[in-house]
Amino acid sequence: EPEVTQTPSHQVTQMGQEVILRCVPISNHLYFYWYRQILGQKVEFLVSFYNNEISEKSEIFDDQFSVERPDGSNFTLKIRSTKLEDSAMYFCASSETPSRRASGNLAKNIQYFGAGTRLSVL
Amino acid sequence: GENVEQHPSTLSVQEGDSAVIKCTYSDSASNYFPWYKQELGKGPQLIIDIRSNVGEKKDQRIAVTLNKTAKHFSLHITETQPEDSAVYFCAARHLEGGGNKLTFGTGTQLKVEL
Repeated sequence: EPEVTQTPSHQVTQMGQEVILRCVPISNHLYFYWYRQILGQKVEFLVSFYNNEISEKSEIFDDQFSVERPDGSNFTLKIRSTKLEDSAMYFCASSETPSRRASGNLAKNIQYFGAGTRLSVL
Repeated sequence: GENVEQHPSTLSVQEGDSAVIKCTYSDSASNYFPWYKQELGKGPQLIIDIRSNVGEKKDQRIAVTLNKTAKHFSLHITETQPEDSAVYFCAARHLEGGGNKLTFGTGTQLKVEL
């Protein structure tokens, strides 16, 4: 069964350093997402990406964050200067199509999640 | 924006018993409600979803009910088994709305005891 792959599984970094979290979405999917989960809290939406541009972002996704699809398979989340409060589990997800094109077909809207990258900022 | 509340935060049941997890949402425009199961060390996996044009959906031992008027929806697991032990998240979304983002509940740690 196709799956979303994330690397690394655990990233430890010093405050102020840049980190890049990597994701390989499911191959025929066109819509990509990043979510994060601070320990003991809700899974929170960060950003969605379609057609090589950000589709929607939350207030968490400030100028320190950026996303990129550098090639045909990878989708990355970069944090430029990490803060202690960036420590969290980061989940990548992908779905087949944007909702507006496929609202009549629920299966195409399903978001499939990777196993996550645990980011620890020291 | 949308706000999803979920309870209980932890739930222990005996094997074979039923488990019920409840969620409420705030945005009446939300019309899609998936449930995800997260096992240790893995990402959330969709187990069942429902659109607002139906009131109930079943898939073997799992069912979801939706009350649009009251803005709440519930997950029902019957004949629970040890492998049902996991964290369960409800979520809400407006399918035809501005974006594809899911708004999640806080999660329920379900423990099925032998």
